[in-house]
Amino acid sequence: GQNIDQPTEMTATEGAIVQINCTYQTSGFNGLFWYQQHAGEAPTFLSYNVLDGLEEKGRFSSFLSRSKGYSYLLLKELQMKDSASYLCAALDSNYQLIWGAGTKLIIKP
Amino acid sequence: GAVVSQHPSRVICKSGTSVKIECRSLDFQATTMFWYRQFPKQSLMLMATSNEGSKATYEQGVEKDKFLINHASLTLSTLTVTSAHPEDSSFYICSARDNRLSYNEQFFGPGTRLTVL
Repeated sequence: GQNIDQPTEMTATEGAIVQINCTYQTSGFNGLFWYQQHAGEAPTFLSYNVLDGLEEKGRFSSFLSRSKGYSYLLLKELQMKDSASYLCAALDSNYQLIWGAGTKLIIKP
Repeated sequence: GAVVSQHPSRVICKSGTSVKIECRSLDFQATTMFWYRQFPKQSLMLMATSNEGSKATYEQGVEKDKFLINHASLTLSTLTVTSAHPEDSSFYICSARDNRLSYNEQFFGPGTRLTVL
């Protein structure tokens, strides 16, 4: 079956760095997305990886290892507004998104 | 950037009535749109894939006669919740795939919060 695993909840301190891990098992693979979702709102796109390696975009970076079925989202210089759920989603061979349950990130002052 | 709108953003209805939710891609054409449902503190659950000009593809366990989907144009898909019941209360989110992009990113609408009394 297809499966995405990510931690349920993480806590970090304002100004610090946090890494949210995601492992996936899908029928075929056409890339991995990270989305941010604030409570009561729709998800917003953060990153897309289809090749191995690190993609950096400002304070956020995303890493992919296809051989390991593993990705992580790295958030630097954490701000209170970064408190949200972070959703990992893999695109399978049918170009359908398989969603993780999301990681709730709590930022403390 | 690609923008997707949803209307209404919030709706409260009586049990047994039907509710229509519209999803529009504002600055791009979308042959494929997706309808998701999200219960509190849970992840997105794909309900159906809506293809312009053809029947929607429903996920297992989703009643197609209860959740009617129409994708009549390249910029509009509608979801009608028929004979709504309190257990249908949820956050409904649509997304649209921008075919111009090579990596099939889905752009999400702002969501519709449905409360059935």
